[in-house]
Amino acid sequence: AQTVTQSQPEMSVQEAETVTLSCTYDTSESNYYLFWYKQPPSRQMILVIRQEAYKQQNATENRFSVNFQKAAKSFSLKISDSQLGDTAMYFCAFMVSGTYKYIFGTGTRLKVLA
Amino acid sequence: DSGVTQTPKHLITATGQRVTLRCSPRSGDLSVYWYQQSLDQGLQFLIQYYNGEERAKGNILERFSAQQFPDLHSELNLSSLELGDSALYFCASSPTNGRGGDTQYFGPGTRLTVL
Repeated sequence: AQTVTQSQPEMSVQEAETVTLSCTYDTSESNYYLFWYKQPPSRQMILVIRQEAYKQQNATENRFSVNFQKAAKSFSLKISDSQLGDTAMYFCAFMVSGTYKYIFGTGTRLKVLA
Repeated sequence: DSGVTQTPKHLITATGQRVTLRCSPRSGDLSVYWYQQSLDQGLQFLIQYYNGEERAKGNILERFSAQQFPDLHSELNLSSLELGDSALYFCASSPTNGRGGDTQYFGPGTRLTVL
């Protein structure tokens, strides 16, 4: 069975600093997709970034980037120049190609401090 | 705004009752997914529909059922409600059947409180 582990239940970072959220997953599959979603206090689930496992290049979206280490089954999210609006719960999600569902980690609660 | 709409936003009901949650996917999306998020928990996949047909089932209780209509909106029916069913229920949609790793776009959720 596939699993996703987020080992940091809570983190905090000073405004304008950089923070990295960790995510590891377990699978025997070779084709899959990885996602980070953000859930602010409004509870809306917002896609932050997506990575295809067959791509070696790490995905980047503005201040958000990932460090995808396929051999280590690691998919960390780096937030640069943290902003107060980044305060949210962050979920790592995994989907095996050919299946229909996301498998979510338990989340990391990030607080950006002024 | 993801383009996925869910109604109602909040629902308060009593144990033993039945409720219906409604979801309209983004324009053009054929797949609808339902997830349950209990307090401070990750999201658990419940069920997926693609173009009117059930495609995948996750941890969905027998008391729960869903359907997708010809206009592609979907309804999640929860019956014989228990206190433990209190949760945030999300609907998500994607363009295709999801097997190609579609990004799923989430609605704002329906918060269900069972008293």
